[in-house]
Amino acid sequence: TQLLEQSPQFLSIQEGENLTVYCNSSSVFSSLQWYRQEPGEGPVLLVTVVTGGEVKKLKRLTFQFGDARKDSSLHITAAQPGDTGLYLCAGTPGGFKTIFGAGTRLFVKA
Amino acid sequence: DAGVTQSPTHLIKTRGQHVTLRCSPISGHKSVSWYQQVLGQGPQFIFQYYEKEERGRGNFPDRFSARQFPNYSSELNVNALLLGDSALYLCASSLTSGGIYEQYFGPGTRLTVT
Repeated sequence: TQLLEQSPQFLSIQEGENLTVYCNSSSVFSSLQWYRQEPGEGPVLLVTVVTGGEVKKLKRLTFQFGDARKDSSLHITAAQPGDTGLYLCAGTPGGFKTIFGAGTRLFVKA
Repeated sequence: DAGVTQSPTHLIKTRGQHVTLRCSPISGHKSVSWYQQVLGQGPQFIFQYYEKEERGRGNFPDRFSARQFPNYSSELNVNALLLGDSALYLCASSLTSGGIYEQYFGPGTRLTVT
């Protein structure tokens, strides 16, 4: 069974702190996507990483794809209350089936 | 441009009933995928359709079926509803199918089975 394991499951931090969320698998992925989901809404695509070792930045968010393309991380600098949400990683290891991790629920306190 | 739209927004059904959920993809997108998201979990893949053909199917029973129409909109049908079918059903559209592709999600349909 191909799985994407995310850690931590839950994170509660103060505004201004930094944090890192991890997404790990034993399988190789041609690409991984990161999404953010707010309650009652669908996931919103943040970024796609494709190349092993790739680093992408989106304002205060930094995404990295592992060299072996089996893992990825999301680092948020100076978190703000607006960053609160469920962060999901997803990948398609082969064929047409996309796998999602269980998500990291982030709460940023003002 | 309009994003992915889904209808209805919320739905309450009784065990044993049948339900049809609808999805309209982003204009120009030919691929539609369906996901089930149970509270506290990530979305689980149900189906992918591309150019009206089923390209992939997740580990869901035959009570779940779907189809894609010539305008690329899609329906998800669930027969003989069980309490465990209560979930947020998400539709996602993409330009391509498989490989490296990016999906854009609708707001979902919240199904409650009583």
